[in-house]
Amino acid sequence: DSGVTQTPKHLITATGQRVTLRCSPRSGDLSVYWYQQSLDQGLQFLIQYYNGEERAKGNILERFSAQQFPDLHSELNLSSLELGDSALYFCASSTQDGSYEQYFGPGTRLTVT
Amino acid sequence: TQLLEQSPQFLSIQEGENLTVYCNSSSVFSSLQWYRQEPGEGPVLLVTVVTGGEVKKLKRLTFQFGDARKDSSLHITAAQPGDTGLYLCAGYRRARAGNMLTFGGGTRLMVKP
Repeated sequence: DSGVTQTPKHLITATGQRVTLRCSPRSGDLSVYWYQQSLDQGLQFLIQYYNGEERAKGNILERFSAQQFPDLHSELNLSSLELGDSALYFCASSTQDGSYEQYFGPGTRLTVT
Repeated sequence: TQLLEQSPQFLSIQEGENLTVYCNSSSVFSSLQWYRQEPGEGPVLLVTVVTGGEVKKLKRLTFQFGDARKDSSLHITAAQPGDTGLYLCAGYRRARAGNMLTFGGGTRLMVKP
């Protein structure tokens, strides 16, 4: 158990809908990272927050957004969902800003039908 | 196109055999991480290598970082069924746009008893 929690574990929704994925980092960690893992693209970095501020952006679509709240939990919002958004979404956390040692949560499996 | 190329993509071996997984790039990384991921779970950090030429051992696993810090290898001695899983390498780079991990496509290992 990495100490990072993610909810929900599974999510099934229809195209065009909007969903919110939630992540709580390990106790004491200020950085949160979001990743998407699909069969054809592998594990792709989406976005990073440190203590509430956006710090790095990867291959995140404009339909996707994220935020980190004062209690340090983070939410990833996915809107206008398409079939191709079906994937595993992972949250990771670290103590330092932009650290290379990241601890991953169990993921949320999103299925868009 | 993956910035980090892992080979082989799939490997099926018998218990007791040795194997090597490779992670190659044309880019230089500040450090390189190896993760192992099991079905339905998030990646678990195995090791970080930082210095060119560095070798780290974790029981039967030996990790090496290339002299030029562009490539790495993971060698498993006397593989066991418990080693089965997806092995991911990840390169860490500091950039103006933010520090981030870039993952390879993964090597799926199956060790048969």
